[in-house]
Amino acid sequence: DAGVTQSPTHLIKTRGQQVTLRCSPKSGHDTVSWYQQALGQGPQFIFQYYEEEERQRGNFPDRFSGHQFPNYSSELNVNALLLGDSALYLCASSSTSGTGGQETQYFGPGTRLLVL
Amino acid sequence: AQSVSQHNHHVILSEAASLELGCNYSYGGTVNLFWYVQYPGQHLQLLLKYFSGDPLVKGIKGFEAEFIKSKFSFNLRKPSVQWSDTAEYFCAVRGSGGSYIPTFGRGTSLIVHP
Repeated sequence: DAGVTQSPTHLIKTRGQQVTLRCSPKSGHDTVSWYQQALGQGPQFIFQYYEEEERQRGNFPDRFSGHQFPNYSSELNVNALLLGDSALYLCASSSTSGTGGQETQYFGPGTRLLVL
Repeated sequence: AQSVSQHNHHVILSEAASLELGCNYSYGGTVNLFWYVQYPGQHLQLLLKYFSGDPLVKGIKGFEAEFIKSKFSFNLRKPSVQWSDTAEYFCAVRGSGGSYIPTFGRGTSLIVHP
């Protein structure tokens, strides 16, 4: 049973560029959340996708956008990159019950983004 | 809004020493609580979780945590640490029910000397 997978593992971009990160959830999971983890900090919630729609969003600008596909995989897009966007980007998957409650999130290995 | 405070940012222990990492949270309702571990070069893994029931929760690798509602705390403990426990530990809290998102603390870096 494959866990959460993310690609690429590392990425180097320059300021102003755009980046797309990808995530495949754990088998049986239908909900994908994205987090940004800066060096020395805990993960910060960016947004969550369920049924191909953004269900919740954290305190991140509109430069951060996402998408979920019918197979539950997801992409995180960041436009107009800033130096401060350098971080580890984590994808977490979970399953949403019929009442809307969620089970535990399982995390992928992350994509380390460096913006120069 | 919910928040999590991990008071110990860096902890250094010798093997066989006992471990207790503090976690306090702020939230006005019923909570789910988690401890995650991030070993060097590896992804976040769930150590243990509390949803309801017995406030003393057993996790993997000999870890346990106790939910004390009156103190808004969920401290992580291990009676005897090993060198392989060297890692970053994160406490997280979320409101129970609905589709609430966990809020993470900033983490505690644990170094265990052999």
